[in-house]
Amino acid sequence: GAGVSQSPRYKVAKRGQDVALRCDPISGHVSLFWYQQALGQGPEFLTYFQNEAQLDKSGLPSDRFFAERPEGSVSTLKIQRTQQEDSAVYLCASSLVDSATYEQYFGPGTRLTVT
Amino acid sequence: GDSVTQMEGPVTLSEEAFLTINCTYTATGYPSLFWYVQYPGEGLQLLLKATKADDKGSNKGFEATYRKETTSFHLEKGSVQVSDSAVYFCALSESSGNQFYFGTGTSLTVIP
Repeated sequence: GAGVSQSPRYKVAKRGQDVALRCDPISGHVSLFWYQQALGQGPEFLTYFQNEAQLDKSGLPSDRFFAERPEGSVSTLKIQRTQQEDSAVYLCASSLVDSATYEQYFGPGTRLTVT
Repeated sequence: GDSVTQMEGPVTLSEEAFLTINCTYTATGYPSLFWYVQYPGEGLQLLLKATKADDKGSNKGFEATYRKETTSFHLEKGSVQVSDSAVYFCALSESSGNQFYFGTGTSLTVIP
């Protein structure tokens, strides 16, 4: 079946613009995660959803970052008033069950460049 | 807080050489440990995992053993192939939570 998909794959934004990044998880997956991966670094946790509930948003770097998953499937990560330090690859992952011991399936990521 | 430290790369090996990528961790509870791999142009994929001490994860000829006494989860393969060229990430998750903590990644290039 289809894996996790993300769109757009590449996004260039001017500083101060708002962006919205979309994630389509694997159908039926309960858990959804967002990560930020800076160049040459490992992914860093941003936020976690169990169905439509956002259970952990401790990794969001500022109040300019907002994520939602209103119907428990597709999720959107929104960044307001983008800054250059927001440039990174944003990864989405989903998991069948609500346990971190289970495999997370990753999407290809959205590369955001803020100029 | 929880964290993962893995050996820095890049690592370059000849085909059929032995591979070790070191990974150590710091955790407050009883974490599960993972190795993820990212092939060029692709997303992260789970390579192997271990959920408790002394467990050995294995897949595609790669192995890693969960060592609680040394807080380590080193990745090994006896004979690497050109197709193993990728970036390898060590990661942990606490059983009580849902966060994954990743290392910085180790780039491996295998030359014929």
